Amino acid sequence: DAKTTQPPSMDCAEGRAANLPCNHSTISGNEYVYWYRQIHSQGPQYIIHGLKNNETNEMASLIITEDRKSSTLILPHATLRDTAVYYCIVRVTDSWGKFQFGAGTQVVVTP
Amino acid sequence: EPEVTQTPSHQVTQMGQEVILRCVPISNHLYFYWYRQILGQKVEFLVSFYNNEISEKSEIFDDQFSVERPDGSNFTLKIRSTKLEDSAMYFCASSALATSTDTQYFGPGTRLTVL
Repeated sequence: DAKTTQPPSMDCAEGRAANLPCNHSTISGNEYVYWYRQIHSQGPQYIIHGLKNNETNEMASLIITEDRKSSTLILPHATLRDTAVYYCIVRVTDSWGKFQFGAGTQVVVTP
Repeated sequence: EPEVTQTPSHQVTQMGQEVILRCVPISNHLYFYWYRQILGQKVEFLVSFYNNEISEKSEIFDDQFSVERPDGSNFTLKIRSTKLEDSAMYFCASSALATSTDTQYFGPGTRLTVL
């Protein structure tokens, strides 16, 4: 079963920051949090991942709480092309690398 | 930027027929995966493959499924006798390693339609 909880949907205005929450209260100390997105049934696209420090790359920022029980993905300036399903995944360390996808959050960016 | 490619993009087949879905992983990657997504449902793990062996498989990956790396570049998923419920998007993925810090990169998918 998925180890994360995400809201099923959220809207965001174009040009504004999108803040996507994720709860992972049972995360273990060596498990990473990964974010992927899927645009209209295309292959999942990697966004960012982290362990306990905040991370930033050209796509997004990842803020992980100090107790690591939740995290927030931030898309700093959402565009219409960011409309997608966003998946927060806790990477199980003893699974030969597989990802277990949940239902994710459907983000709709509106003009 | 290197990417995972998959062919065909869409495959239509009759129930009971064999299909082979093809993937070309990123060239220096060592771990390969197949996932599937039935329309409107979650992305589901099928199988992982390393060093010419299956590392892990899900309960979905039964005897009608097989995987192979026939040469140095391709990675294939074969479904021996397709069923209507095999209709789905099939995604190939690859990673350099299988550690928790290593990213998997997904291909664009093959849409399989079983009639």
